[in-house]
Amino acid sequence: DAKTTQPNSMESNEEEPVHLPCNHSTISGTDYIHWYRQLPSQGPEYVIHGLTSNVNNRMASLAIAEDRKSSTLILHRATLRDAAVYYCILRRGAQKLVFGQGTRLTINP
Amino acid sequence: NAGVTQTPKFQVLKTGQSMTLQCAQDMNHEYMSWYRQDPGMGLRLIHYSVGAGITDQGEVPNGYNVSRSTTEDFPLRLLSAAPSQTSVYFCASSSGPAPPAGVEQYFGPGTRLTVT
Repeated sequence: DAKTTQPNSMESNEEEPVHLPCNHSTISGTDYIHWYRQLPSQGPEYVIHGLTSNVNNRMASLAIAEDRKSSTLILHRATLRDAAVYYCILRRGAQKLVFGQGTRLTINP
Repeated sequence: NAGVTQTPKFQVLKTGQSMTLQCAQDMNHEYMSWYRQDPGMGLRLIHYSVGAGITDQGEVPNGYNVSRSTTEDFPLRLLSAAPSQTSVYFCASSSGPAPPAGVEQYFGPGTRLTVT
């Protein structure tokens, strides 16, 4: 499985944008980039996914580098409810989701 | 839709006891899976199923059995509980095993299991 590298933790302030980075230098052409998050004491929750182009949905935006070796999850205006562990996952075809350690995001009021 | 439901929410077992963790989904999803999450760690895949009657092993299958007799239900059985199986267990489902259909997995709220 292609590996991803994320910072262990990040901190931001409420109502400010948050940029969560993910490096995946060994990504292959058919790997999808997925982001999930896990709020305290809950199961993981799908956030967004992409292949080559930048993506937007109601929760976040995903910016993918032109060489696809890195990506950034963007929360446009963080709230306290966005405090969670964010997982960046590469997935090829029918491969299983493999969760790493993720980035623990803290939001300060 | 209730989504993915899991019972019980909490369970304490003694070493050697057996039990079944229940998982059900009402979204008519073909693909279901079980994960465990140990403190401070990411999720690890235990078993998965791509449809009724079909199951396969994940990353950490030892000590667990599964069966899939219906699309809706995917129970996880602990045969003889050990302290190393103390963990939080999550069940998940998706409409397919791979993008584009199966791009989003839906997770249940989890079962917190303690084995003493």
